[in-house]
Amino acid sequence: GAGVSQSPSNKVTEKGKDVELRCDPISGHTALYWYRQRLGQGLEFLIYFQGNSAPDKSGLPSDRFSAERTGESVSTLTIQRTQQEDSAVYLCASSRTGLPRDQYFGPGTRLLVL
Amino acid sequence: ELKVEQNPLFLSMQEGKNYTIYCNYSTTSDRLYWYRQDPGKSLESLFVLLSNGAVKQEGRLMASLDTKARLSTLHITAAVHDLSATYFCAVDMEYGNKLVFGAGTILRVKS
Repeated sequence: GAGVSQSPSNKVTEKGKDVELRCDPISGHTALYWYRQRLGQGLEFLIYFQGNSAPDKSGLPSDRFSAERTGESVSTLTIQRTQQEDSAVYLCASSRTGLPRDQYFGPGTRLLVL
Repeated sequence: ELKVEQNPLFLSMQEGKNYTIYCNYSTTSDRLYWYRQDPGKSLESLFVLLSNGAVKQEGRLMASLDTKARLSTLHITAAVHDLSATYFCAVDMEYGNKLVFGAGTILRVKS
């Protein structure tokens, strides 16, 4: 079946511009996670959505970062006024149970801020 | 704050040799995961370890968990070139919804 999909796969932007990254979770997965992976590093948790509960935003690095999710469907991660340090791969994962161990990861969006 | 440390960060080994990657973490947890990532690709789940003493094996890879020592190991037996990838461990925070990842170990297996 279809896995987690993300778009765009690559994004190059200029410093100061806003970007929107999209994640389509696996159908029926109530939980959705966003992670950031800087070059040569592990994944950093950004935000977690579970059903209609308030999202866990504890990993968002600054108020320039925000994310939304429509029901149990698509999520968008928005970065405003991008900075060069925002360059990274942004990975989305979804889980049917809401448990981290059941996460399936998408292919990621590679963001380069010039 | 939970910290996860992997070592080594880079490992170059000859085909046919054995080696172990270590994953230490700083606070109580009995849920640890190993992932593989190929260049330009997303993460593939390898092992889920959910209790003290858990041991899982798949092919030439074997993972174990010692929650008292807060240590997991990923042992590679008779390495082959296809195992070349980056390997991450991740720990599930108690009462949390997120995984905390190590920095990753880049494994290169030379013919």
